Parts: sequence; C-alpha cells; structure tokens
Amino acid sequence: AQKVTQAQTEISVVEKEDVTLDCVYETRDTTYYLFWYKQPPSGELVFLIRRNSFDEQNEISGRYSWNFQKSTSSFNFTITASQVVDSAVYFCALSEARNNAGNMLTFGGGTRLMVKP
Amino acid sequence: GAGVSQSPSNKVTEKGKDVELRCDPISGHTALYWYRQRLGQGLEFLIYFQGNSAPDKSGLPSDRFSAERTGESVSTLTIQRTQQEDSAVYLCASSLARSKNIQYFGAGTRLSVL
Repeated sequence: AQKVTQAQTEISVVEKEDVTLDCVYETRDTTYYLFWYKQPPSGELVFLIRRNSFDEQNEISGRYSWNFQKSTSSFNFTITASQVVDSAVYFCALSEARNNAGNMLTFGGGTRLMVKP
Repeated sequence: GAGVSQSPSNKVTEKGKDVELRCDPISGHTALYWYRQRLGQGLEFLIYFQGNSAPDKSGLPSDRFSAERTGESVSTLTIQRTQQEDSAVYLCASSLARSKNIQYFGAGTRLSVL
C-alpha cells in the first residue's frame, strides 16, 4: 500500500527566511509519480510540481525548489526568501503508475506554513 | 470551462437527510476524481471515473455514498441519510487521462451535517 508522511504539521517563519517542507513516501511500485499541491485559504488545491520515479534531478522554479531522493524515499520542497503570500497548507502526494483507481493520489496530512511579515 | 467547478460551495443539512454534490470538470478531461478532506487532515480518495464508468468504488466509505457521471462530463456525489461524521470538504478533480496526468481540483463543497 502507498503512504505519504508529512511530519511537520505546522511551520511558522518570518518573511524572507528559507523554509523546507519534508515529505517521505512509501510504495511497492517501481514506477510512480510525486506531486506537491498548495492549498491557500480559498480552499482550491493548486498544482505545483510532478516528478516521476525515474527522474531524480532536482528542480528549481523561481523561489521554489524540490529535492527528490529515492534512497531515502523523500521529496522535500524548499521555499527561498519566503513571502506572506506563501502562507498556505502544502500537500505532498503520490500516485502509483499501476493501480485500479486510475492513478488516484494518496496525500500526506499536509503542512501548514505561516509566513509572518 | 476554465477550471473545475463544484456546487454548492457550502451545504448545511440535518442528520438523516440526503445531499447531492455536483462537479463540472474541465472540458475534455476524461478522468474525474472525488476526494474527501476532513478538518485539518489530508485528502482521502473516494472514487474515480474514466469516462462514465467507475472501475473502482472501494474508496467509498459506506453504502450511503454513491456517485455517477453522465455525458463524460458532470458528476454527482450523493450521500444518503447523512451522519455528522460526513461533515467535510468534498473535492473534485479532473485530468486529461488516467495515466500520469495532472489532476486539477475544484474549490470543493463544504458539507456540514447538524
């Protein structure tokens, strides 16, 4: 069975600090996809990134960067120079390539990030 | 439409009543998903549609829950004889195809069972 763990339930930082959100996953499949979504107070989940299990190259998009390490089953997300607008709940999710539920997403419990001015 | 649309945005009902939640996916998206998010928790998968078919209904929490999709478009999630434990945000997502494509989410329906 697949499982995603986000050990940090809540993080509070001051604006301009860097912050890393941890994500650890479990899967028996060799082919899978990892995602990060942002859920602002409005409630709608916003897609941030998708990685497949064969691509361990780290990715940077503006102030966001992701570190995928298969050896530790982790897919951590770093926000550099955080801003108040980054305040939201962030979810890590896993999708196995072969399952009966159309690649449904298994979500972690989420990390609430609060960025204070 | 531009995004996934869900209605109503909020629903308050009395215990024992039936409710219907609606999802309009992004036009052309063949796959549609329902998830439930209890307060302060992550999302749990309920059911998935490929076209109008739901190959796997095992995620539905009880036989009071059912869902259908018509015209490879609109989907309705029905909860019969609602219980207080059904209170949650119900989120719908759609994607182009079931394989590896990104799921785009609606804003959800917040259901409160009194």
